[in-house]
Amino acid sequence: SYVLAQSPSESVAPGETARIVCGGNNIGGKSVHWYQQKPGQAPVLVIYHDRNRPSRIPERFSGSNSGNTATLTISRVEAGDEADYFCQVWDSIRDHAVFGGGTKLTVL
Amino acid sequence: QVQLQESGPGLVKPSETLSLTCTVSGGSLRGSYWSWIRQPPGKTLEYIGYISFSGTTKYNPSLSSRATISIDTSRNQVSLSLTSVTVADTAFYYCAASIGGVHGGFDYWGQGDLVTVSS
Repeated sequence: SYVLAQSPSESVAPGETARIVCGGNNIGGKSVHWYQQKPGQAPVLVIYHDRNRPSRIPERFSGSNSGNTATLTISRVEAGDEADYFCQVWDSIRDHAVFGGGTKLTVL
Repeated sequence: QVQLQESGPGLVKPSETLSLTCTVSGGSLRGSYWSWIRQPPGKTLEYIGYISFSGTTKYNPSLSSRATISIDTSRNQVSLSLTSVTVADTAFYYCAASIGGVHGGFDYWGQGDLVTVSS
């Protein structure tokens, strides 16, 4: 099964830029989606197909994907961005969705 | 806006069958894909499977022998059945909608339903 690797935690000061990385074998050849999950809540889609943002998501959220790494970038981080972030791709061989282990973003 | 609401028993005994229903409001089941995803407390997300409006299903191979997803278009509901449960099946169970195609990410999620497997 396709494996996605995320660092367990990242921390950033308010106003700075957070970069959350998702690693996978030739992930650049896949379509990556990102979800934000706050405590006690369901996940929310924040980036789809590598770099597209749903209309309800602030422009501060952006995504990129190349080689073996996909990145979710959050600019001008706010306290409300503190959450777990999960990357997700579709395993085309076994035809099912695969999630990364999640990264807990702490806003200092 | 599409809204999803899961409902189920909350507590299931080991070896029994877990049954959950997702009721969809604010939109039709037509044209979208409806998935079940679970998350053990404090852990990551695990994909269970999906069903299309026409009834086509696909499952995570690790759960395919125990999971069944069905659709009731007259009631705007999608259901999950998971047989022979163990404590390892204790998790929050979410239903989710993919509006832009099954490979387009999960656009909308229900609030989740915690199912505990315990005797």
